[in-house]
Amino acid sequence: SQTIHQWPATLVQPVGSPLSLECTVEGTSNPNLYWYRQAAGRGLQLLFYSVGIGQISSEVPQNLSASRPQDRQFILSSKKLLLSDSGFYLCAWERGYEQYFGPGTRLTVT
Amino acid sequence: AQKITQTQPGMFVQEKEAVTLDCTYDTSDQSYGLFWYKQPSSGEMIFLIYQGSYDEQNATEGRYSLNFQKARKSANLVISASQLGDSAMYFCAMREGKTSYDKVIFGPGTSLSVIP
Repeated sequence: SQTIHQWPATLVQPVGSPLSLECTVEGTSNPNLYWYRQAAGRGLQLLFYSVGIGQISSEVPQNLSASRPQDRQFILSSKKLLLSDSGFYLCAWERGYEQYFGPGTRLTVT
Repeated sequence: AQKITQTQPGMFVQEKEAVTLDCTYDTSDQSYGLFWYKQPSSGEMIFLIYQGSYDEQNATEGRYSLNFQKARKSANLVISASQLGDSAMYFCAMREGKTSYDKVIFGPGTSLSVIP
């Protein structure tokens, strides 16, 4: 069966510090992968998606970037965090029309 | 313009009763898919049900059913026999088109509270 992992689960970082969030998928190959952000009490905002290694599409201009160094690994990064980067970050993989989400990372920028 | 509208920010339902969560969508595509996800307080997004635009029958998955009214562009989620564990945020979502490059758009969500 397929599983999706995210780490860390929670993170508190100061403004201006770098960020690296990791997402890995097991049990499937060449999945479409997605990064979403959810602000408190809000819906999901698509940040990046990837249909293959090294292929990244950005949906929202921001100080975040994404990379896919391996088939089942998706990384969300920032060189300098802003207060507005606080939120709940969810990674998802796709089978057919359905997306399956990881447990999420709760990021607080102080 | 909002692609997905969920007009009920919060809903309450008595345990064991049925509840309908509203969702309307906006698209000019003929081919699209509609989804419902559940997000409990733990934060994980759980896929509940899917309806394709060409599906003639309403989708059902256990206690969940999707009341699909294409002409009205509505895709309401019906939860029968509510349980305390159904208390969560519920998100309606849509994918326009069929390719991997067609992104999923989420609505703002509805908070459901099941009362014992």
